[in-house]
Amino acid sequence: EPEVTQTPSHQVTQMGQEVILRCVPISNHLYFYWYRQILGQKVEFLVSFYNNEISEKSEIFDDQFSVERPDGSNFTLKIRSTKLEDSAMYFCASSEGAGWETQYFGPGTRLLVL
Amino acid sequence: RKEVEQDPGPFNVPEGATVAFNCTYSNSASQSFFWYRQDCRKEPKLLMSVYSSGNEDGRFTAQLNRASQYISLLIRDSKLSDSATYLCVVNMGNAGNMLTFGGGTRLMVKP
Repeated sequence: EPEVTQTPSHQVTQMGQEVILRCVPISNHLYFYWYRQILGQKVEFLVSFYNNEISEKSEIFDDQFSVERPDGSNFTLKIRSTKLEDSAMYFCASSEGAGWETQYFGPGTRLLVL
Repeated sequence: RKEVEQDPGPFNVPEGATVAFNCTYSNSASQSFFWYRQDCRKEPKLLMSVYSSGNEDGRFTAQLNRASQYISLLIRDSKLSDSATYLCVVNMGNAGNMLTFGGGTRLMVKP
């Protein structure tokens, strides 16, 4: 069964450093997403991406964040200058379409900012 | 008001019990609704979509009441493997693809 994959599974970084989280969505999917979950809290939407541009983003997704689809398979989330409060599990998801289409989640990258 | 609200639990039930979870959502324009399951430190996985007419998948039944902005999940004949956190999820995006999650309801099924 096709699945979303993410690398790395864990990342530890120093405050102020840049990190890039990588995702490979399911191959025939057209919509891509990033969510985050701070430990003990709910899953929060960050951004959705379709047709090589951001279609929606939340208030969390400020200028420190960016997304890119650098090639036909990868989808990345960059955090330009990490803060302590960026420590969270970051989930990538993908779906064939929008609306009722199921979003399939990857296993996540656990980011720890020291 | 929280956008998607759930009782955090935990619900501690014996094997074989029937258990029901409820969820309310704030955006009356929401178009699609889901229950996801999340195991500890894992990704959310779709359990089932929720349709206005109600739908059933084996031991799981989901109901939607749009007038009351209320969603429910019923689990019959609970198994040990049902122990997890159940996430009520509503698609609230303007473009139709922003999932808003409730905080989850934790279920623990005991032998």
